[in-house]
Amino acid sequence: AQTVTQSQPEMSVQEAETVTLSCTYDTSESDYYLFWYKQPPSRQMILVIRQEAYKQQNATENRFSVNFQKAAKSFSLKISDSQLGDAAMYFCAYRMNTGNQFYFGTGTSLTVIP
Amino acid sequence: KAGVTQTPRYLIKTRGQQVTLSCSPISGHRSVSWYQQTPGQGLQFLFEYFSETQRNKGNFPGRFSGRQFSNSRSEMNVSTLELGDSALYLCASSVGDKPYEQYFGPGTRLTVT
Repeated sequence: AQTVTQSQPEMSVQEAETVTLSCTYDTSESDYYLFWYKQPPSRQMILVIRQEAYKQQNATENRFSVNFQKAAKSFSLKISDSQLGDAAMYFCAYRMNTGNQFYFGTGTSLTVIP
Repeated sequence: KAGVTQTPRYLIKTRGQQVTLSCSPISGHRSVSWYQQTPGQGLQFLFEYFSETQRNKGNFPGRFSGRQFSNSRSEMNVSTLELGDSALYLCASSVGDKPYEQYFGPGTRLTVT
């Protein structure tokens, strides 16, 4: 069974600093997708970044980048130049290439300190 | 393009009652998934509908059911409500057969007393 683990329930970062959120997953599949979603206090879940497992290059979206280690089954999110608006719950998610079932971690609550 | 909408946004029910939640996906999206979100448990997958057919189902009791209409709108029903059903219920839509990501609605906050 596929599982996604986020071992940091809470994290904090100073504004303008860099923070890394950790995520590990367990799967026997070789082709899959990984995602980071952000859920601000208003609750609407927003996609932050996506990584296809067959791509070796780490995905980047502006200040957000990932460190994808396929052999280690690790998928961390790095937020550079943290802003107050980055404060939210962050969820790591996994989806197999076939089917449409997403598996989510339990989330990391990120606080940005002014 | 309008986003995913869910109604109602808030709901208070009594144990033993039943409830129906509604989700309207983004126009053109044929897949709708439902999740239960509770503190500490994260998001638990309930089921996914694609073109009016249930395609995937999570590990929830039969009290949880759903359906999808020809216009892709979906409803989720919970019968014989229990206190533990109190949660935020999220709906997510995606394009079709091989979606890459899901787009979430704002959720329905269900409180069971």
